[in-house]
Amino acid sequence: EAGVAQSPRYKIIEKRQSVAFWCNPISGHATLYWYQQILGQGPKLLIQFQNNGVVDDSQLPKDRFSAERLKGVDSTLKIQPAKLEDSAVYLCASSSPGSPSTDTQYFGPGTRLTVL
Amino acid sequence: AQSVAQPEDQVNVAEGNPLTVKCTYSVSGNPYLFWYVQYPNRGLQFLLKYITGDNLVKGSYGFEAEFNKSQTSFHLKKPSALVSDSALYFCAVSNLPRDDKIIFGKGTRLHILP
Repeated sequence: EAGVAQSPRYKIIEKRQSVAFWCNPISGHATLYWYQQILGQGPKLLIQFQNNGVVDDSQLPKDRFSAERLKGVDSTLKIQPAKLEDSAVYLCASSSPGSPSTDTQYFGPGTRLTVL
Repeated sequence: AQSVAQPEDQVNVAEGNPLTVKCTYSVSGNPYLFWYVQYPNRGLQFLLKYITGDNLVKGSYGFEAEFNKSQTSFHLKKPSALVSDSALYFCAVSNLPRDDKIIFGKGTRLHILP
């Protein structure tokens, strides 16, 4: 089966500019996650969707970050305006909730954002 | 709140030798534990998970992990290391099925020396 798709793979912007990332999860996966992975750290959950509803956005900096999953399939994550500390890899993951055998999260290749 | 610790930033092992990457966790209730691997310029790949049952879990690429409840550990192991195992390894924990938020450790870089 096709994996989680993300684009772009790399993005370089100047501070105060805006940027958007796109994610297409594995077909049939109802749950979608966005993570931020800063160099030298583990991934940190930013937001979790169940279909097109938000389950958890407690760690999303809502003054500058926004995310949507309007049709319950693909999703976009936006940063506006970007700060230097937003430089990181943004990972998208998806899972099919239900039995323990299907709750594994599958990750996309990530988008590496550099803010200058 | 759940947390996970990977005490080693880097582990160096000679090719052919056994390897261990350490992980300890803290969670209320029964833990769901995961290991992921990240190769350069690629996303995280699932290796294995512990939900319940046998304490020794077998996963992809010959890796296994041992769940130890008394020591709250979930160390990753492989009997004979390959150079291609060199990568960044992440341990993660969740409170599934109650809360499917996964908390990741900071990662351990594994270097397999030829």
